[in-house]
Amino acid sequence: GESVGLHLPTLSVQEGDNSIINCAYSNSASDYFIWYKQESGKGPQFIIDIRSNMDKRQGQRVTVLLNKTVKHLSLQIAATQPGDSAVYFCAENTTGRRALTFGSGTRLQVQP
Amino acid sequence: DTGVSQNPRHKITKRGQNVTFRCDPISEHNRLYWYRQTLGQGPEFLTYFQNEAQLEKSRLLSDRFSAERPKGSFSTLEIQRTEQGDSAMYLCAKERGNTGELFFGEGSRLTVL
Repeated sequence: GESVGLHLPTLSVQEGDNSIINCAYSNSASDYFIWYKQESGKGPQFIIDIRSNMDKRQGQRVTVLLNKTVKHLSLQIAATQPGDSAVYFCAENTTGRRALTFGSGTRLQVQP
Repeated sequence: DTGVSQNPRHKITKRGQNVTFRCDPISEHNRLYWYRQTLGQGPEFLTYFQNEAQLEKSRLLSDRFSAERPKGSFSTLEIQRTEQGDSAMYLCAKERGNTGELFFGEGSRLTVL
């Protein structure tokens, strides 16, 4: 069935390093992708999105890369800070659907 | 602040009781969504409204669950005869325009004893 999954359940990085969180999806019809950040006890917070007509999009300290050939996307966080510690989810959707499909999340731990 | 207010933030109830959660998007948004999230998992779609019309319901939404959006603004999610498996975070989200971007509230955590 359709699925959105993450390669690593936990990622530990040093403060100041760059972080890369990966996500694989299986639905070749998926054309919209979002990364969310979720801190403990809070709702998911929108970080950045990308549509399938692009392969890269940059925000403030974050970059999302989309490789449609291998159905893979990644979230890169530059100069990771302690405040970046959270669980990160990728989510996908398809034109005509309204329901986002989320992966199970990667926990990012930033070591001081 | 995502502009989505949910209450109560926490609810502890005994199995068999009914519970109701409320979602208030601070500004008017055509589409409002309910998701459920269990520990360690990503959110799962339950249902969504366009204005006051409930247009889609997930198979997760059993007949014990009912959602309403009577005036196209706030929404309620009621769970009847709660079961321990209903224990989860219930998240409400609004959509920015017709973009697919969802902005979530802080959620209502339900614990069924």
